[in-house]
Amino acid sequence: AQSVTQPDIHITVSEGASLELRCNYSYGATPYLFWYVQSPGQGLQLLLKYFSGDTLVQGIKGFEAEFKRSHSSVNLRKPSVHWSDAAEYFCAVGHGSGNTGKLIFGQGTTLQVKP
Amino acid sequence: EPEVTQTPSHQVTQMGQEVILRCVPISNHLYFYWYRQILGQKVEFLVSFYNNEISEKSEIFDDQFSVERPDGSNFTLKIRSTKLEDSAMYFCASSLRQSYGYTFGSGTRLTVV
Repeated sequence: AQSVTQPDIHITVSEGASLELRCNYSYGATPYLFWYVQSPGQGLQLLLKYFSGDTLVQGIKGFEAEFKRSHSSVNLRKPSVHWSDAAEYFCAVGHGSGNTGKLIFGQGTTLQVKP
Repeated sequence: EPEVTQTPSHQVTQMGQEVILRCVPISNHLYFYWYRQILGQKVEFLVSFYNNEISEKSEIFDDQFSVERPDGSNFTLKIRSTKLEDSAMYFCASSLRQSYGYTFGSGTRLTVV
């Protein structure tokens, strides 16, 4: 069955520290992979997407993600976290072809940033 | 930057009542979606809509749910007879292509009492 797992429900990092949020997926076909961010009271904003090609994908707000097919993972990284990055982060996968646009989301990771 | 607009931002309804959640997708987008997020749980796919018909729906999207694009700008989700377990944040999204560059709205929080 298709599934997305974000092992860390809650992460706290100090401002200026590096960040890595984990995401593992189980998917039968070649997936499309996404990271979204949700600030309190806001909608879901697309940070980055991976379709094919380079395994290191650059996104907005200084985020990047590394896709590792052998590990079925797409971890989100940022070299230096800012207080405004505190939010909830969702990993999602979609079907690579013949699709209807459906995304399967992970349960999210809440990021807290300490001053 | 173009936005997906959802109204209302918060709706409280009594169990058994019908509710309509409204969305205005980005004007040139062709693919439309509804998702929901029960408090503390995952964001779940409900339905996708293209070319004036449902292209896929989840098992959550039973006969109590329907979607409509009544004119060129609105996309609505109707729940015919709400249940307590329908309480959730409902997100509308749209995209120009099936490339998943969705733009989500900020959601409608539905509370069924």
